Amino acid sequence: QVQLKESGPGLVQPSQTLSLTCTVSGFSLTSYNVHWVRQPTGKGLEWMGVIWTGGSTDYNSALKSRLSISRDTSKSQVFLKMNSLQTEDIATYYCARGLQWPHYYVMDAWGQGASVTVSS
Amino acid sequence: DIQMTQSPASLSASLGETVSIECLASEDIYSYLAWYQQKPGKSPQLLIYAANRLQDGVPSRFSGSGSGTQYSLKISGMQPEDEGDYFCLQGSKFPLTFGSGTKLEIK
Repeated sequence: QVQLKESGPGLVQPSQTLSLTCTVSGFSLTSYNVHWVRQPTGKGLEWMGVIWTGGSTDYNSALKSRLSISRDTSKSQVFLKMNSLQTEDIATYYCARGLQWPHYYVMDAWGQGASVTVSS
Repeated sequence: DIQMTQSPASLSASLGETVSIECLASEDIYSYLAWYQQKPGKSPQLLIYAANRLQDGVPSRFSGSGSGTQYSLKISGMQPEDEGDYFCLQGSKFPLTFGSGTKLEIK
């Protein structure tokens, strides 16, 4: 059974760094990509980036200067770090499994989401 | 970035009615298009990918069509459980971009 679960602090102070972990089960990180997507409350979805099966990454250019995605395959975990958080970063953050080429963009399983607030 | 213009923003349909949601891409996306349903407080669920391929387990009343820049999702016979938000996603170029969403309600 494919599962993804996000974890991390729900509250981050302004200008500080957000760190989230996505723990997956039911599939291998060396066989499937993992995307990060965020959604401000009541608004649409924004793709943040992806870590490929080989470990390389691609990021949304709008976030690239602040964003880092990495993984630990032995622990089946993917990590998101984003610095210089501001109130516009308040959102629910999802990790999602991406299918294999050519459907790499298709996210077929999603985590439950991690709600992040930015406040002092 | 490729812009995905989704319409309508909201839609009200009677049970059994057929409804359509459209996504217009700012350039050709070569059928790299997926559709998602999202219910309140839940994560998105994949319905359609590659413009017209039905994801396993999704009811056959859902169908997708289109090519080039124009794509649509059709629900043939609205059911109560189809209420929710619907989003399209393009995968032709990075960054991946989503449509702004359609809120579908029962009339």
